[in-house]
Amino acid sequence: RKEVEQDPGPFNVPEGATVAFNCTYSNSASQSFFWYRQDCRKEPKLLMSVYSSGNEDGRFTAQLNRASQYISLLIRDSKLSDSATYLCGLSGSARQLTFGSGTQLTVLP
Amino acid sequence: EAGVAQSPRYKIIEKRQSVAFWCNPISGHATLYWYQQILGQGPKLLIQFQNNGVVDDSQLPKDRFSAERLKGVDSTLKIQPAKLEDSAVYLCASSSIAGGPVETQYFGPGTRLLVL
Repeated sequence: RKEVEQDPGPFNVPEGATVAFNCTYSNSASQSFFWYRQDCRKEPKLLMSVYSSGNEDGRFTAQLNRASQYISLLIRDSKLSDSATYLCGLSGSARQLTFGSGTQLTVLP
Repeated sequence: EAGVAQSPRYKIIEKRQSVAFWCNPISGHATLYWYQQILGQGPKLLIQFQNNGVVDDSQLPKDRFSAERLKGVDSTLKIQPAKLEDSAVYLCASSSIAGGPVETQYFGPGTRLLVL
């Protein structure tokens, strides 16, 4: 079993739709969780950190479920500019990031 | 604030040749990471430095890959000799020691390597 698993997609959604991604992890000792966005042929950029209490940043909401060992990302009112690959990452005490393979999102006009 | 700098941006070599990549982290960032990202996959950590010391190199193929960060600032990653399967984007990232539970890693633009 991979340490971090994501549905690769692609997710093709119309503008204005709500879309959700999940990411499961196997290491229960993982301490910090993140969602990164990666545009085609670009470097990953931090979208948001994920806290146990959940957090929201505008149209984006991230949740952590430690009991079931998954994190989620919800995007509301999708924009064309949200088209990208979304990587989940997690780290332990050494602060090294382990990434999933990413979920590809395309928002259609 | 200047971001993480990497060079070259692209490199094409033949198998069995050598190649080196350079990274200059964000000023003041003590921790530096090298990742390998193969097409269709997420970045995979190769090596982590804390200042000029190696924290983790367990996933670095040491028979052909080497990395150094001699003065605790910039770093080089070398492959010698290269294999076809080394074709990937090599990403450098850096982070500061903020002391909190959540530490942001900032990525450079990457070096895209093609081995023929």
